[in-house]
Amino acid sequence: AQSVSQHNHHVILSEAASLELGCNYSYGGTVNLFWYVQYPGQHLQLLLKYFSGDPLVKGIKGFEAEFIKSKFSFNLRKPSVQWSDTAEYFCAVNAGGSNDYKLSFGAGTTVTVRA
Amino acid sequence: EPEVTQTPSHQVTQMGQEVILRCVPISNHLYFYWYRQILGQKVEFLVSFYNNEISEKSEIFDDQFSVERPDGSNFTLKIRSTKLEDSAMYFCARQGAEAFFGQGTRLTVV
Repeated sequence: AQSVSQHNHHVILSEAASLELGCNYSYGGTVNLFWYVQYPGQHLQLLLKYFSGDPLVKGIKGFEAEFIKSKFSFNLRKPSVQWSDTAEYFCAVNAGGSNDYKLSFGAGTTVTVRA
Repeated sequence: EPEVTQTPSHQVTQMGQEVILRCVPISNHLYFYWYRQILGQKVEFLVSFYNNEISEKSEIFDDQFSVERPDGSNFTLKIRSTKLEDSAMYFCARQGAEAFFGQGTRLTVV
């Protein structure tokens, strides 16, 4: 079974600051990796995903993430945050190359961006 | 707009009562998953449903829980006799390797 850990529970930063959220997973096989965002009162939305290929993936809203296989990490980054990036961010993983699609989530990181 | 619609958005129920949470996909799909998130905790897998059958369930999904596809399109998650610890956000997702979530149902058991 996979497990996911997110390093930060709550991050507070000012607009235009850079953001990096850590995510590590444990699983011995091929994985698919995801970052989801949940804005207040809304559903989980996919920010970006990694299945294979270029380990640097770009998602919506200026977010990107880098898969480092040797470190079992998939950290999320944004060079310059906006107030509208205030949300909860979840890293998730499922087994790659199989029909077992169930996601294992991290505990989530609440990001608060101050205007 | 989410590809999956969940109703109700919020339900308050008394302990011991039955609740039914509904999930309506926009398009026909084979794989559906239910997850829950207890306040302050991780999103946890409950059950997966493939081609009108349960394909996998977690240890959380005990005899109090059931899933159905009563009319060929809607999916329901039923909790027969709710407990206080069932209070959580419940998410339905249509899935392949990528998941598309509904907006969730917040269940509060009092």
